[in-house]
Amino acid sequence: GENVEQHPSTLSVQEGDSAVIKCTYSDSASNYFPWYKQELGKGPQLIIDIRSNVGEKKDQRIAVTLNKTAKHFSLHITETQPEDSAVYFCAVPFNTGFQKLVFGTGTRLLVSP
Amino acid sequence: NAGVTQTPKFQVLKTGQSMTLQCAQDMNHNSMYWYRQDPGMGLRLIYYSASEGTTDKGEVPNGYNVSRLNKREFSLRLESAAPSQTSVYFCASSDQGAAGYNSPLHFGNGTRLTVT
Repeated sequence: GENVEQHPSTLSVQEGDSAVIKCTYSDSASNYFPWYKQELGKGPQLIIDIRSNVGEKKDQRIAVTLNKTAKHFSLHITETQPEDSAVYFCAVPFNTGFQKLVFGTGTRLLVSP
Repeated sequence: NAGVTQTPKFQVLKTGQSMTLQCAQDMNHNSMYWYRQDPGMGLRLIYYSASEGTTDKGEVPNGYNVSRLNKREFSLRLESAAPSQTSVYFCASSDQGAAGYNSPLHFGNGTRLTVT
C-alpha cells in the first residue's frame, strides 16, 4: 500500500513568517495531492490540491509544490496569520480500482501574534 | 446546505456495548467513507462505499460493520466496543466518478467516542 510521511509534526512561527510542510510518498503512480486543514473540533477541510501534470499551484497565501521525481510535495503558507493555526494533513490516493486517500500523520501549526 | 452531518457528536460506551454512528450527506455524492483519527496516526480508513449498494474494507476494518442505507446515508456499527476503539470518527463523502479521477473529500465534524 501507499506510505505517506509528513514533517514536521509541529511547527511554531511568528505572525507574518512563512511556513512549509513536506510530505513524501512511495507510489510513483500517484497523481493527485491534496492538503487538508483541520481546526479544533471540526473535520478536515480541503484547502488546496494539485494534480501530477503541474509542478506548482497557488491560491492567495497558500501554494503547493510537487516534485514527482523525488516523490514529495510541500505546502507553503506565506504571511502567516493567527487564524492559520490548525492541524494540516497531506494525503495521497491509494488506487486499487477506486480512489482511497492515505493521510499523513499531520502537522500542528501554531502562529503566534 | 448542511454538507456531511454526523450523529452523535459525543458518546461514552462500556466495553462490550454496541452502537451505530450515523452519517448523512446532502451533496448527492456517490462515494462515502468512514475514517478514525488517533493522536500521531493521522486519519485511517475503516470502510468505504464507492456507490450506493456497495461497501468495502479499508485499512482498519476489524471490529466494525457498515451499511450504505441509500445514497445519502452511511452508518458505522460497533458490535462489541473495545477500549482500542476509543477515537474520533469522521464520515466523508466525495463525488468520485470515473476510474482514475480523484475528487476531494468532504468531512463531517466527527463523533468523539470513548470506550471504558
